[in-house]
Amino acid sequence: LAKTTQPISMDSYEGQEVNITCSHNNIATNDYITWYQQFPSQGPRFIIQGYKTKVTNEVASLFIPADRKSSTLSLPRVSLSDTAVYYCLVGGLMDSSYKLIFGSGTRLLVRP
Amino acid sequence: NAGVTQTPKFQVLKTGQSMTLQCAQDMNHNSMYWYRQDPGMGLRLIYYSASEGTTDKGEVPNGYNVSRLNKREFSLRLESAAPSQTSVYFCASRNENPLYEQYFGPGTRLTVT
Repeated sequence: LAKTTQPISMDSYEGQEVNITCSHNNIATNDYITWYQQFPSQGPRFIIQGYKTKVTNEVASLFIPADRKSSTLSLPRVSLSDTAVYYCLVGGLMDSSYKLIFGSGTRLLVRP
Repeated sequence: NAGVTQTPKFQVLKTGQSMTLQCAQDMNHNSMYWYRQDPGMGLRLIYYSASEGTTDKGEVPNGYNVSRLNKREFSLRLESAAPSQTSVYFCASRNENPLYEQYFGPGTRLTVT
């Protein structure tokens, strides 16, 4: 399973766009890139998933360059409620189970 | 539709005691997972079940056993609790599409003294 590296923490202000970059140099051909969000005392929540190029949903965008060795989660116009830990995961089919390995994540603090 | 439910929410055990954490999902998902999360850390996979009747070890299986009772239920058992097992335990089930969308339960906060 590919190891991921992402910043430990980031600060932002309400209304700004936040970009969190994740490095995954050893990503395998069949690996997908998935981002989760976790609030204190709650389980993680799926945000977005992609394989290549760009994926957008109602919450975020995910940018993946052609070499797929990194990815960037973009959160438009953050609010205080976006303060959370964000996990970048790279997962592939392992023994038919789709295992996901969580790293330490990026703690995003959104200030007023 | 409750999603993923876990019981109990909190538990305090003495070293050497045993207990079973219960998890159930009502989304008809095939795959289910147990994770632990220590303070300030990411989640670590303990065991998973790709389908009813199958279970496999994750990153940190030592000291735990699991049972996939049926498609809905996946339990985690601590046979002889140790202080190192103090953690928050999350159960999850996986959607088929997108591939890696897991739904997590609210967690069980376990303290072993």
